[in-house]
Amino acid sequence: DAGITQSPRHKVTETGTPVTLRCHQTENHRYMYWYRQDPGHGLRLIHYSYGVKDTDKGEVSDGYSVSRSKTEDFLLTLESATSSQTSVYFCATVGQGYNEQFFGPGTRLTVL
Amino acid sequence: DQQVKQNSPSLSVQEGRISILNCDYTNSMFDYFLWYKKYPAEGPTFLISISSIKDKNEDGRFTVFLNKSAKHLSLHIVPSQPGDSAVYFCAASAYISGTYKYIFGTGTRLKVLA
Repeated sequence: DAGITQSPRHKVTETGTPVTLRCHQTENHRYMYWYRQDPGHGLRLIHYSYGVKDTDKGEVSDGYSVSRSKTEDFLLTLESATSSQTSVYFCATVGQGYNEQFFGPGTRLTVL
Repeated sequence: DQQVKQNSPSLSVQEGRISILNCDYTNSMFDYFLWYKKYPAEGPTFLISISSIKDKNEDGRFTVFLNKSAKHLSLHIVPSQPGDSAVYFCAASAYISGTYKYIFGTGTRLKVLA
C-alpha cells in the first residue's frame, strides 16, 4: 500500500467544462502514472511522471494534460471534457528500485 | 496493436479446484511480469510477479509461470476460493529511458462458484 488517494472519487460534469483530478501519495515514490480503464481495453496509460516537473505522454494522451509540482501530487486535467472521456481513472506509483505499481482507488468520471 | 493479450474475458471455476489464467505478450523487451487483482469500485492490487530470468514464482496459493520462448505467462490459483472472484490483469514491464513502462492486458473475470 503506497498511501495513494484520489480526489474526487466521483464526478459528473458537462461537455466542454474543464476537469482536474488529483492524485496524492505519501510514500515519496518517484514515478507516478495516470491510467483510464474502459470495458474491453483494460488499463491504458494517459501520462506519466518520472520526477517533479518531469512528465511524458502515454498511449492515450490526446485531450489530457498533467502537472507535477511536488513529489506527492500528480494532477490530471481535461481542458475541455468530452463524452469519450467518461471513464474510470486510476493513479499509480512506483518506488525507486521496485517493479510493482501501486494503484489508487480510482475516480469515476461521467461527462454528459 | 495489443502487446499484452488476455484472450479469455471470463472464467468460472468450482471452489477448491484450480484456476488458470493466461496471458500472452509480443515484445521481447519486457523483463518483468505482474498480475493484479481488481474488485469492483476499487483500484487494482498487486498479486504476484516474476522476473524474466525465472520461470516460476510461488506465493501461497498463487503461482506464476513464465515461458519466454512462447511469450506466455499463466497464473495458477490452488485451491480457488469464492473470495478470489475478481478481474485479473496481467502486465508486462520494461525500464525504458529512465522510466518503468507497463502494458496491461484487458483482464479476465474469474468467478469461483461455491
